[in-house]
Amino acid sequence: DAKTTQPNSMESNEEEPVHLPCNHSTISGTDYIHWYRQLPSQGPEYVIHGLTSNVNNRMASLAIAEDRKSSTLILHRATLRDAAVYYCILRDGGGAQKLVFGQGTRLTINP
Amino acid sequence: NAGVMQNPRHLVRRRGQEARLRCSPMKGHSHVYWYRQLPEEGLKFMVYLQKENIIDESGMPKERFSAEFPKEGPSILRIQQVVRGDSAAYFCASSPSGRNYGYTFGSGTRLTVV
Repeated sequence: DAKTTQPNSMESNEEEPVHLPCNHSTISGTDYIHWYRQLPSQGPEYVIHGLTSNVNNRMASLAIAEDRKSSTLILHRATLRDAAVYYCILRDGGGAQKLVFGQGTRLTINP
Repeated sequence: NAGVMQNPRHLVRRRGQEARLRCSPMKGHSHVYWYRQLPEEGLKFMVYLQKENIIDESGMPKERFSAEFPKEGPSILRIQQVVRGDSAAYFCASSPSGRNYGYTFGSGTRLTVV
């Protein structure tokens, strides 16, 4: 499984934008970039995914570098409910279907 | 759409007993995945199933653990002769066919072995 690198933790303030980085320098052409988050004592929650183009949905935006070796999850206006562990995962579009979770980034939101 | 349903939410078993964890995927989803999360640790893949088939069980312990996804009914993760180290949160996820989809996770079953 292709590897991703994320900061262990980040901190931001409520109502400010948050940019969560992810490096995936060994990404292959068929790998999708997925983001999930896990709130305390809950199951993981799908956030967003993309292949080459930037993506937007009601939860967040995903900005993918032109060479696809990195990406950034953008929360446009953080709330206290966004405090969670965020996982950046590569999903092989041409092979195994399973998602392999790393350690993720623990995001703390200050009121 | 009710989402991925897991039951029970909490399960307490004595050492040596069997634990059965159930997962009903989202309607229209034919792929089921089981993950385990030990206290203060990350999510570890266990097994990936499609209806009546185990596709990838590379994360399953070799003994005492088994999984099935029958033609009718929920997917079952079965742990025989539980030990204290099996205490963890077990999450199930489902997805449709095709690789351009995200997973939907259930709320998990928290197993405590006493």
